[in-house]
Amino acid sequence: EPEVTQTPSHQVTQMGQEVILRCVPISNHLYFYWYRQILGQKVEFLVSFYNNEISEKSEIFDDQFSVERPDGSNFTLKIRSTKLEDSAMYFCASGTLKATDTQYFGPGTRLTVL
Amino acid sequence: AQSVTQLDSQVPVFEEAPVELRCNYSSSVSVYLFWYVQYPNQGLQLLLKYLSGSTLVKGINGFEAEFNKSQTSFHLRKPSVHISDTAEYFCAVKGARDDKIIFGKGTRLHILP
Repeated sequence: EPEVTQTPSHQVTQMGQEVILRCVPISNHLYFYWYRQILGQKVEFLVSFYNNEISEKSEIFDDQFSVERPDGSNFTLKIRSTKLEDSAMYFCASGTLKATDTQYFGPGTRLTVL
Repeated sequence: AQSVTQLDSQVPVFEEAPVELRCNYSSSVSVYLFWYVQYPNQGLQLLLKYLSGSTLVKGINGFEAEFNKSQTSFHLRKPSVHISDTAEYFCAVKGARDDKIIFGKGTRLHILP
């Protein structure tokens, strides 16, 4: 069964550094998402992406964040200058249709900012 | 805007006993409802979803949920749990016109031998 994959599984970085989290969505999917879960808190929506542009974003997704689909298979989340409070599990998801389709989640990347 | 409340942060239950995990939502628009499961050190896996139609929804691993519009609830049930059901369960809601899924805080299911 096809699945969403994410790399790396764990990323440790120093405050102020840039990080890029990578995701390979399911191959025939057209909608892509990033969510994050700070330890002990809810899973929160960050951004959705369709047709090479951001479809929807939350207030968390400020200028420090960007997303890109650099080729036909990868979907990346970049954090330009990491802060301590960016430490979280970041989940990528993908889906085929906007409204009714299931969003299929990857296993997550745990980001630790020191 | 939508919101989800999972009333129990942890639910202990004996193996082979029934379980109900409670979820209430609020929304001013039509919504879709989901239950996701997160096994230890894994991602989120869809258990079941309600889009429309029959209010009783059956999912994977013997779970089912009932959509109750008047009570704005979407409780998850399983008639007999197994040790392998140990996980965190997330109720979630999505506005029909939205991209984002809004998650509850999760309920950790502990299966007691």
